[in-house]
Amino acid sequence: SQQGEEDPQALSIQEGENATMNCSYKTSINNLQWYRQNSGRGLVHLILIRSNEREKHSGRLRVTLDTSKKSSSLLITASRAADTASYFCATDSPSGTYKYIFGTGTRLKVLA
Amino acid sequence: DAGVIQSPRHEVTEMGQEVTLRCKPISGHDYLFWYRQTMMRGLELLIYFNNNVPIDDSGMPEDRFSAKMPNASFSTLKIQPSEPRDSAVYFCASSSTGTATYGYTFGSGTRLTVV
Repeated sequence: SQQGEEDPQALSIQEGENATMNCSYKTSINNLQWYRQNSGRGLVHLILIRSNEREKHSGRLRVTLDTSKKSSSLLITASRAADTASYFCATDSPSGTYKYIFGTGTRLKVLA
Repeated sequence: DAGVIQSPRHEVTEMGQEVTLRCKPISGHDYLFWYRQTMMRGLELLIYFNNNVPIDDSGMPEDRFSAKMPNASFSTLKIQPSEPRDSAVYFCASSSTGTATYGYTFGSGTRLTVV
């Protein structure tokens, strides 16, 4: 069963614009991760945010976490055509089993 | 490090045949995961291992599916007999308890088509 639901399902923007993707989940978590998947490839880990963190940055990526709303957002600033991919959030469980459940994903298309 | 290595990259088989997917995790990683990805169901966790021991196989769809990890550098996922609904991309991923911040490292996947 899927824990996370990404929104929107698909997003199309122009190069240089910012892209925001949201993830909502159902149960309490310890950590939340974001991954990118290029077409026909495996997933690549982008960033991990812990439940006691509210915001984290990595290069052009900004992730926020609101545990009271059980939601997270991924912001990609100054998008590039190479950012075209699907983006997934993944959540663990508070029991610390170290397994992550992936959301449904957002398909991002950046137009040059 | 060459990353997580999966083989074969593509597999086409006839219904009823046995299929074996293979995975070599990153050296030193103590966790190994098998996921299945389809358009309809997204990414599903099938089973995961810690130190070669299966910890949670609740995602394995049926008894037709089995997974083994005989040593720290090799795992297999077997489907016997295969059915058309097993067609999907199967991913293997590995991780280390000590580097949880870096998340999972995924292989490139095996695209399975059962006809």
